[in-house]
Amino acid sequence: GNSVTQMEGPVTLSEEAFLTINCTYTATGYPSLFWYVQYPGEGLQLLLKATKADDKGSNKGFEATYRKETTSFHLEKGSVQVSDSAVYFCALSDRKTSGSRLTFGEGTQLTVNP
Amino acid sequence: DTEVTQTPKHLVMGMTNKKSLKCEQHMGHRAMYWYKQKAKKPPELMFVYSYEKLSINESVPSRFSPECPNSSLLNLHLHALQPEDSALYLCASSQEGNSYNEQFFGPGTRLTVL
Repeated sequence: GNSVTQMEGPVTLSEEAFLTINCTYTATGYPSLFWYVQYPGEGLQLLLKATKADDKGSNKGFEATYRKETTSFHLEKGSVQVSDSAVYFCALSDRKTSGSRLTFGEGTQLTVNP
Repeated sequence: DTEVTQTPKHLVMGMTNKKSLKCEQHMGHRAMYWYKQKAKKPPELMFVYSYEKLSINESVPSRFSPECPNSSLLNLHLHALQPEDSALYLCASSQEGNSYNEQFFGPGTRLTVL
């Protein structure tokens, strides 16, 4: 079956620090990969996506590269802001093997202090 | 319009009440989803509608009853809930036939069962 493993949180950083949140996956097909962000009291927002190997997704200064050889999709940002404090979920979708389902990681809580 | 809307934002109900959650999207998406999310956990899939037909029911108790009146609307009817059903209920939609299954989430309904 499919699975997603995220680095455990919580992660606490100072403003302007470099962020990496690790995500690795197991999938039997050819998944699409996503990062979703959930701000306090809100629903999930799609942050970025990549649909095939070596694709780089990017949005709002965040980046992640689909690495098939290491089955990874690590999230990075060069300089975090207080407003980036949220929970980040890595997810995959493999329509061939799991239909419409998104498989989520457990989530990583990020707190950025001023 | 790239928004999924949900009403109400908050709901408090007793175990004998009947209530409904509503979800609406105007993106022309033909797949719609209900998720349940407990605190500090990823969303758990409950139901999937594809072209207004129920395609996935993740063994959800019958006290939760989904309904898809048309391609833009999704309801979740609640009856005789238990306190452990208290959670954030998220609706999502995606463009059916899209192999990437990028899902767009609403802000959620925070449900408290007394």
